[in-house]
Amino acid sequence: GAVVSQHPSWVICKSGTSVKIECRSLDFQATTMFWYRQFPKQSLMLMATSNEGSKATYEQGVEKDKFLINHASLTLSTLTVTSAHPEDSSFYICSALVLAGSSYNEQFFGPGTRLTVL
Amino acid sequence: QKEVEQNSGPLSVPEGAIASLNCTYSDRVSQSFFWYRQYSGKSPELIMSIYSNGDKEDGRFTAQLNKASQYVSLLIRDSQPSDSATYLCAVVKAAGNKLTFGGGTRVLVKP
Repeated sequence: GAVVSQHPSWVICKSGTSVKIECRSLDFQATTMFWYRQFPKQSLMLMATSNEGSKATYEQGVEKDKFLINHASLTLSTLTVTSAHPEDSSFYICSALVLAGSSYNEQFFGPGTRLTVL
Repeated sequence: QKEVEQNSGPLSVPEGAIASLNCTYSDRVSQSFFWYRQYSGKSPELIMSIYSNGDKEDGRFTAQLNKASQYVSLLIRDSQPSDSATYLCAVVKAAGNKLTFGGGTRVLVKP
């Protein structure tokens, strides 16, 4: 399958600071990437859809001014958690959409970033 | 009713046996169906995708889709302890590429 990387793999920050997470598609170009959040013992929740060269589309209830998404190239999307608070502590996972040459496409996930806000 | 439902488990399976996982979805126009495996503390890994009614086999895994019953399943043959993980069912509706995940089924394969 396609390879997606994330950086950093884990980060600890103080409350009120901002944290940037990078998501890269390593062996393919991804016009569409997705950002998910997963709390312990819960399933993945989609936060937003990131489209190269355009604004991200956020899911209901996700604050776009708090979770800034930039998809400036075909291989890189970034998520910035601004003014992070302890309740933002979570496992953040990105995925990249691989176009299968038909109407059926697949998402491949990055390894995730574990964020802890003190 | 949740959009994608799975039994949370744990599903305990002896080594070498068949593990059978089930998933139901509520949106009848859903077209793409996926099974992901997630080890504790790791991100999901795609193991199967299925788009048409019937069975699809890949190694020890078989996915089964029945759109009339809005049901998709995953069989794991010759289960190994390394198969112990949470298995996530995910569905894409007709429009767009967004995945909707079920809550996952935890599988424990006992030696």
